[in-house]
Parts: sequence; structure tokens; C-alpha cells
Amino acid sequence: DGGITQSPKYLFRKEGQNVTLSCEQNLNHDAMYWYRQDPGQGLRLIYYSQIVNDFQKGDIAEGYSVSREKKESFPLTVTSAQKNPTAFYLCASSNYQGANQPQHFGDGTRLSIL
Amino acid sequence: KNEVEQSPQNLTAQEGEFITINCSYSVGISALHWLQQHPGGGIVSLFMLSSGKKKHGRLIATINIQEKHSSLHITASHPRDSAVYICAAPSNQFYFGTGTSLTVIP
Repeated sequence: DGGITQSPKYLFRKEGQNVTLSCEQNLNHDAMYWYRQDPGQGLRLIYYSQIVNDFQKGDIAEGYSVSREKKESFPLTVTSAQKNPTAFYLCASSNYQGANQPQHFGDGTRLSIL
Repeated sequence: KNEVEQSPQNLTAQEGEFITINCSYSVGISALHWLQQHPGGGIVSLFMLSSGKKKHGRLIATINIQEKHSSLHITASHPRDSAVYICAAPSNQFYFGTGTSLTVIP
């Protein structure tokens, strides 16, 4: 079955450490997205990519980096510059970026600080 | 100001009750999405609608584009409906509501 796989489900980060969250999709979707979810807030866009080797910053990109070397993969690195990384991270994909395209979501990664 | 506002924030219902969740948005859109987030965190898309009404099982979604308002109704609610329901308005990007946490008690 096609879908989006995020790993790991839970991740712990030490102070000053970079960590990478994995997102893989086998839906043949062009567009992929990373969102951050905090309690009491809506999902906020970190980065998105419409095509391989291209990505754009979202509303809260500071302290994060991404790459899109393959269509299926869109890993997110939470760098040590992100001072408040504890949150739930969701990856999504859609056929192409557009209002009428439903987004398919992964099951998320919960990141905590040790 | 949030581009998408949902109400109520939290909702507790007895099994069998009719439930309504409301969503108002300020951005110009051509379609609105309703999502369901399970307790484990995964999100599934329930509806995408641009006008009128859509029905899927016991779930009904309505939208009034002119008034920039949408509602999600659940008929004959069941404990397995317990989840967070999120509306999303795609404009230049997706804008998400903060979600409505629904608990259905047996």
C-alpha cells in the first residue's frame, strides 16, 4: 500500500546535537512538506518542496534544514540552533502543490530534549 | 489573528449524540479540507469540499464559500470517533485550525 513513512516515532536530542527525522513516500508525489505541531496550536509549515533538488522555507524555518535529493525522500534536520525543538513533527505529501490537492500525512515523530 | 478558527476547542459527547464542529477562515480558498488526527498522532484526510455538502458514512461536511464557514457533523457518535478534528484552508499555503478535541463517552 502506498503511504508516507516517518521514522523514528520517538526521538530524543541532547543539547547542542543535530538530529535528522526521516520521511519517505511511495505515492509518487511531487510535493512534500514538514510541519511542526505544538499543544494548542495549528500545524505550522517548516519547509516544503515541490520538486527534487528544490525546497522553500515555510513560516518557521529557522533552526531547521532539509534536502530533497530523491523524489521519495524529504529528511528534516533539527539543528542545535533550534532552541525549542520539543514538538510533534509531521511530514506530508501531495500530488503537486495546490489548493485542491489533499495532503497525505505520516504518523509523525515526537522529538524531546534530554 | 489566525487565518482559520475552529470551535469548540474541546467537546465531550455521549455516545449517539449529534456533533457539530465549526470552522471559519479569512483567506481566499477554492476548497477546504477536514482532517482527523488519531490519538497516536497520525492524520487522515476526511473531506475536501469546495461547495455544498459531502457525506461519508456518519460524517457530513458542509461549506458556505461566501460566508467563509464550514461545519463538520457526526451523526450517531461513537467512542471510536474520539479524535482531534482539524480544518485546513489552502491559500498560498495550507492554514490549519488548532483542532477540536472530541471525546465520545460510551
